[in-house]
Amino acid sequence: ETGVTQSPTHLIKTRGQQVTLRCSSQSGHNTVSWYQQALGQGPQFIFQYYREEENGRGNFPPRFSGLQFPNYSSELNVNALELDDSALYLCASSWTVTGNEQYFGPGTRLTVT
Amino acid sequence: AQSVSQHNHHVILSEAASLELGCNYSYGGTVNLFWYVQYPGQHLQLLLKYFSGDPLVKGIKGFEAEFIKSKFSFNLRKPSVQWSDTAEYFCAVWGGSQGNLIFGKGTKLSVKP
Repeated sequence: ETGVTQSPTHLIKTRGQQVTLRCSSQSGHNTVSWYQQALGQGPQFIFQYYREEENGRGNFPPRFSGLQFPNYSSELNVNALELDDSALYLCASSWTVTGNEQYFGPGTRLTVT
Repeated sequence: AQSVSQHNHHVILSEAASLELGCNYSYGGTVNLFWYVQYPGQHLQLLLKYFSGDPLVKGIKGFEAEFIKSKFSFNLRKPSVQWSDTAEYFCAVWGGSQGNLIFGKGTKLSVKP
């Protein structure tokens, strides 16, 4: 059974640029959630995708967008990067959209300078 | 809005000491409760979960947690900690129609050998 994988591991971008982060869900999981974990904080929910549709969104601006593909892998896109976007971005997959445990990937560390 | 509070930011214990980490949540409906652990340099891993039934749940590595509905609490315990338990511990709650987890800010546990 393959776990959740994310790429890249680390990324350095300049303010105003755009970034795409990628996630492959665990085998058999059809739901992917994205979280932002700032330093010293717990993960904060960005949005969730289920069967290629957005299924819920946290308190993040529209410049945070995503996609889910037919194989259930997912992308997180962030436009017009700001310094405060520097964080660890976590992807989690699960069997269903509600209530079940989520399995997390190792994360992508994004630094915006 | 739902929230999760973890009472301790940083806990320092000696090996063999007992551990209790507090977690309180604010949500009046049915909840699923989780404790996740993040070892240094590793991704978030599920320690234990509560969905229903016996309010005392046992997880991996000798950890257990007790759900007290009247107190909106889900405290994590371990009778005797080891140096290898050094990690950050996150309490998380799912409640409601959407699939996202709400995390506390985390408690960093340092165990002295």
